[in-house]
Parts: sequence; C-alpha cells; structure tokens
Amino acid sequence: DTGVSQDPRHKITKRGQNVTFRCDPISEHNRLYWYRQTLGQGPEFLTYFQNEAQLEKSRLLSDRFSAERPKGSFSTLEIQRTEQGDSAMYLCASSLEAVNSPLHFGNGTRLTVT
Amino acid sequence: AQSVAQPEDQVNVAEGNPLTVKCTYSVSGNPYLFWYVQYPNRGLQFLLKYITGDNLVKGSYGFEAEFNKSQTSFHLKKPSALVSDSALYFCAVRDLEGSTLGRLYFGRGTQLTVWP
Repeated sequence: DTGVSQDPRHKITKRGQNVTFRCDPISEHNRLYWYRQTLGQGPEFLTYFQNEAQLEKSRLLSDRFSAERPKGSFSTLEIQRTEQGDSAMYLCASSLEAVNSPLHFGNGTRLTVT
Repeated sequence: AQSVAQPEDQVNVAEGNPLTVKCTYSVSGNPYLFWYVQYPNRGLQFLLKYITGDNLVKGSYGFEAEFNKSQTSFHLKKPSALVSDSALYFCAVRDLEGSTLGRLYFGRGTQLTVWP
C-alpha cells in the first residue's frame, strides 16, 4: 500500500490560465474522489468515479472544471480559465466499493491563483 | 439535507486529561459515520468509523467514538490526551438513502490543542 499520490503538491498560476492535477489512487481501490478544501472549512465533495465511470458531480463543479479517469486507474482534474476563488487545496481520495469503506486521502495539491 | 456540525472550532486540553471532540449530524436515512485527523499541509487520515452494532467504536491511536442515535451525535473521545494528538479533526457522514450515496459530508473541523 503506497498510498494515494497527488501531483503537483503546489501550483501557482495566473488568473485565466488552465491547470491540471493528477491523482494516483491505491491500486486495488476502484473508487476515486475529488474534494476541495479552503481555509477553515472541511473538505467539500466535487466528484467521484467508480472505475472509469463518473457517478456523481457536485454543483460546485462548474463547467470550468472537468475530471477524468480514462482507464480506471489515475485521474486528472482540470480547471480552465482559473479564477482567484479557485484557490484552495484539492484533495484526492480512493476507497474500495463497499459503502462502509473509509476514504484514503492523498496530501493534496495546493492551488494559488494570482 | 445532509450535514455535519462540529460546534467547537477549538478544543484545548492538558496532556494526560481526557478529551472530547463533538459532532452532530443530519441525514435522511441511516448514517455511516467517520472521524478523520489532518496534520498541517497533509491530507486526512482515517481514525475510526461507525457502521452498525456496538455504539462505542475504537480506532487508531487510542481514540474511540460513541454513536448516539437519539441525539444524532458521534463524539470523539480519548481517555488520556497526548501533545502529539494536537491536530485538526473532522467528522464525516455518509447517508445511506438518497442519490448522494457515494459522497462523504464533512464538518468544518475542530482544532485540538494539547498542552504539556
């Protein structure tokens, strides 16, 4: 169990640029989640995949956000035309399919939009 | 609507004393409940969960939590706090009914500080 890996750890970008984050889940986990966390708040759900299928999307996930998991392994989260309000920690997690399975989180990607 | 409330932003306790971090929840159906801990600039680490059965569940690092269905609470406890327990603690709930079965709802977090 090598844990959930996220890349990059930090990203600084200018407003209006596009950014892409990568998440590699624990290998035997078929569920993968994206959350966003801002200072003083708990993680907010963005979306989740079961294998390559995107099963749920939050209303927080505007049309500037897109997530993919093309082969059911790693996932990418892209933000187009970044805004200052997108500055946050983006957390990826993975789990087994059973609803009682806990989520295992990566260390996150901290995005700063200037 | 699903929600989690952690009424205390901060909890301060002396090392060796018992600690409690409070959590209440609201869901449509039956809940699965979780506690996570977060250290600075790190992701969340799973501590324990309540699924069914005994209302007192034990988890990592000597933590335990008590599920109370009538009070819709799931408070985190530890009999004797350590300085190394100082961190941010999150309560989370999964609602077993409705269209949002896949997601966990998190509280805002409680900063625990244990002083020597």
